[in-house]
Amino acid sequence: DTAVSQTPKYLVTQMGNDKSIKCEQNLGHDTMYWYKQDSKKFLKIMFSYNNKELIINETVPNRFSPKSPDKAHLNLHINSLELGDSAVYFCASSQDPRDQRAYEQYFGPGTRLTVT
Amino acid sequence: DQQVKQNSPSLSVQEGRISILNCDYTNSMFDYFLWYKKYPAEGPTFLISISSIKDKNEDGRFTVFLNKSAKHLSLHIVPSQPGDSAVYFCAATTIFGNEKLTFGTGTRLTIIP
Repeated sequence: DTAVSQTPKYLVTQMGNDKSIKCEQNLGHDTMYWYKQDSKKFLKIMFSYNNKELIINETVPNRFSPKSPDKAHLNLHINSLELGDSAVYFCASSQDPRDQRAYEQYFGPGTRLTVT
Repeated sequence: DQQVKQNSPSLSVQEGRISILNCDYTNSMFDYFLWYKKYPAEGPTFLISISSIKDKNEDGRFTVFLNKSAKHLSLHIVPSQPGDSAVYFCAATTIFGNEKLTFGTGTRLTIIP
């Protein structure tokens, strides 16, 4: 009964490949996010979706494309992977923005991406 | 430009004593602050939050203090327990914004039995 799940947990791939990371939440939340935690442990938001609509897009290269087929899923597709893309990627979700608890985000376990 | 800073990368505290984790921010538009706890190989877990209209919020062993004039907040854990050993992240946002959280770089807390 995992609240926010991500697959895969580990991903090792070569430069130039295209890969996807999947995220699902069973909390009934309306908003989902992707974060990147780099080698300096800095956790930074990349995207957020509310009811399948893109809300936040933080100057992320357009090689990164989020896809939200429904409000319980937010997948991240990365084209032409580069060495600098190596990081841990976290998916998160939160309640309706009109709810006062919208700021309490629930995180998945992370996907460690290694580009060689 | 790091708007949320946690200047202590690590902290060790004896079990039973008080742990104090600090966080500073530079953006005066921030009006809601959160603390997250993270164990290895897991995602961050929400711990406690505080709105800028308050200067203190308490939840069991955890208390967050906010000093708006100093742009400083702190998390107090008392008494500290071995299970509190984790990385703690401070985060900030604006209530009428888009729920974007800006995180600090974290402080690794180790509780010594």
